[in-house]
Amino acid sequence: NAGVTQTPKFQVLKTGQSMTLQCAQDMNHEYMSWYRQDPGMGLRLIHYSVGAGITDQGEVPNGYNVSRSTTEDFPLRLLSAAPSQTSVYFCASSEDRGLTEAFFGQGTRLTVV
Amino acid sequence: GQQLNQSPQSMFIQEGEDVSMNCTSSSIFNTWLWYKQDPGEGPVLLIALYKAGELTSNGRLTAQFGITRKDSFLNISASIPSDVGIYFCAGQNRDDKIIFGKGTRLHILP
Repeated sequence: NAGVTQTPKFQVLKTGQSMTLQCAQDMNHEYMSWYRQDPGMGLRLIHYSVGAGITDQGEVPNGYNVSRSTTEDFPLRLLSAAPSQTSVYFCASSEDRGLTEAFFGQGTRLTVV
Repeated sequence: GQQLNQSPQSMFIQEGEDVSMNCTSSSIFNTWLWYKQDPGEGPVLLIALYKAGELTSNGRLTAQFGITRKDSFLNISASIPSDVGIYFCAGQNRDDKIIFGKGTRLHILP
């Protein structure tokens, strides 16, 4: 019973590099989302998807792209990493748009130098 | 945009004490959620509240959805060492957007 799986758990990037954070869920949830967590800032929504083929922007989308080609996977792409993107990233999934029964992954700790 | 003010930011308590934390906003929310995050882990849902005035318990945890729909509190009774962590409130507004508070970090003194 994997739930929400995020990879990698840790990553260091140089400024300007690109990378993809992976998120997969095995619960057949329609709704998936990406958050970033910064000290003293709580969780802020980056992008979300209400189903395969549908994505939308959250509160802090700049510098990130997403796609949802399957129900299971929701990768987050950093196009050109910046130090301001140093953060812990969480992927979450739930049956519907609300987070009432959301399951979070363990997080990816990203450092951009 | 909408903001949630969560307080206190951190708490240091003795094992066995009761804990109370709250979230307030100038905006109305339709759902209030309380999460706990352990170090190195993602948040885990503790309690979800769907109606103004609702009082819900989950073991030693009790949470209430404020009558004005602009606030919520979480109480933990008889704290134990495994209660240590960061507690987040989150509100869902009428546009289905989820806003998170900045968290309350709970420390338990030996």
